[in-house]
Amino acid sequence: EVQLVESGGGLIQPGRSLRLSCTTSEFTFGDYAMSWFRQAPGKGLEWVGSIGGEGSGGTTLHAASVKGRFIISRDDSKSIAYLQMNSLKSEDTAVYYCARGMYQFEYWGQGTLVTVSS
Amino acid sequence: QSALTQPASVSGSPGQSITISCMGSSSDVGTYNYVSWYQQHPGKAPKIIIYEVINRPSGVSNRFSGSKSGNTASLTISGLQAEDEGDYYCSSYTSSGAGVFGTGTTVTVV
Repeated sequence: EVQLVESGGGLIQPGRSLRLSCTTSEFTFGDYAMSWFRQAPGKGLEWVGSIGGEGSGGTTLHAASVKGRFIISRDDSKSIAYLQMNSLKSEDTAVYYCARGMYQFEYWGQGTLVTVSS
Repeated sequence: QSALTQPASVSGSPGQSITISCMGSSSDVGTYNYVSWYQQHPGKAPKIIIYEVINRPSGVSNRFSGSKSGNTASLTISGLQAEDEGDYYCSSYTSSGAGVFGTGTTVTVV
């Protein structure tokens, strides 16, 4: 069974950095794009960014709201996708999800909560 | 990229059919067939129920169906059941290569 598990969330002060991990299993990780999303408390889903699979050379796309602060990367040898979040702001507080895919998202993780507060 | 527009809420009685619209533009829904729909229950991760406008993943009830006309995609739930209550989001590929979600619709079974 395909599994995705996010980790690395928690309480962090504004301006600090945090790296989220999306550990996957039961599929050939390198063959698939991976994407990150977030959902602020009581709000809707927001696409954060995506990274292509091996065939794309690891092409990345980021939402305008996080461009220049957030970086998506992947380690195909470990089947893990990462979301590096820098210069965090209070408005980045959300549950962060990873999912498999670039244009449509068949498998999702359970999410990890990031709270940005002093 | 602005969010796709969905009605905030839709309600129906058990057994009825309801339709949720997802209005985009020629930069997303109107041009690309990478429109998908997601169901989300409180405290849970989203679950894909429709992909590429009309396709249902294995295991998803055939009471869910998708369609598209022009810049608007739609999700129809037939034979509404209590378990269908939740939030529903559409999503589309865009001309910028980015993804965009709809504003979300809360479905209530009354």
